[in-house]
Amino acid sequence: EAQVTQNPRYLITVTGKKLTVTCSQNMNHEYMSWYRQDPGLGLRQIYYSMNVEVTDKGDVPEGYKVSRKEKRNFPLILESPSPNQTSLYFCASSGGSGRGVQNFGAGTRLSVL
Amino acid sequence: DAKTTQPTSMDCAEGRAANLPCNHSTISGNEYVYWYRQIHSQGPQYIIHGLKNNETNEMASLIITEDRKSSTLILPHATLRDTAVYYCIVRRSGGSNYKLTFGKGTLLTVNP
Repeated sequence: EAQVTQNPRYLITVTGKKLTVTCSQNMNHEYMSWYRQDPGLGLRQIYYSMNVEVTDKGDVPEGYKVSRKEKRNFPLILESPSPNQTSLYFCASSGGSGRGVQNFGAGTRLSVL
Repeated sequence: DAKTTQPTSMDCAEGRAANLPCNHSTISGNEYVYWYRQIHSQGPQYIIHGLKNNETNEMASLIITEDRKSSTLILPHATLRDTAVYYCIVRRSGGSNYKLTFGKGTLLTVNP
């Protein structure tokens, strides 16, 4: 089954403790992206990647890092999480032919205390 | 990408057709209309997209007006599981970032 898998689904952590949210897709998609969703602000793009070793900032990249060493994986790294990064995070992927057609993961709900 | 306007909320009776409107009066010639939905905090789900012709798939139909300034998503026989926020997104076909700009969407509530 074609899917985007995020782990963990839920995470509670404390300020300053580094964490990684993993994202993996099995569709051989070139494009992958991270969004965060907050009440009243909608979904905002954090980072995106056009292919292996090609990443770029989205609208709200501060406090986040990403890497794309393999085509299928696109982890989101919070080096020093802060409470304002408490949010619902989604990973998405897309193949080259349908750029607006994207597959989203089930989401990761992160709470930073 | 063109701005879209959708009603904040709509209700529909189970088994009836749900018609969700979207206004995109500033759409340009190379911009597509996409529809996604999000069922309570789940990941957004792609529904359908089109450029100028009407489109239909197993989930829904998309009707785009001739001047392309508005469109309607039709769920032919709404079920309770169709209760979700529906997003109309307009974006151009090219670009180096496939970013989707989600607005506030329409909360569709399907009632028994």
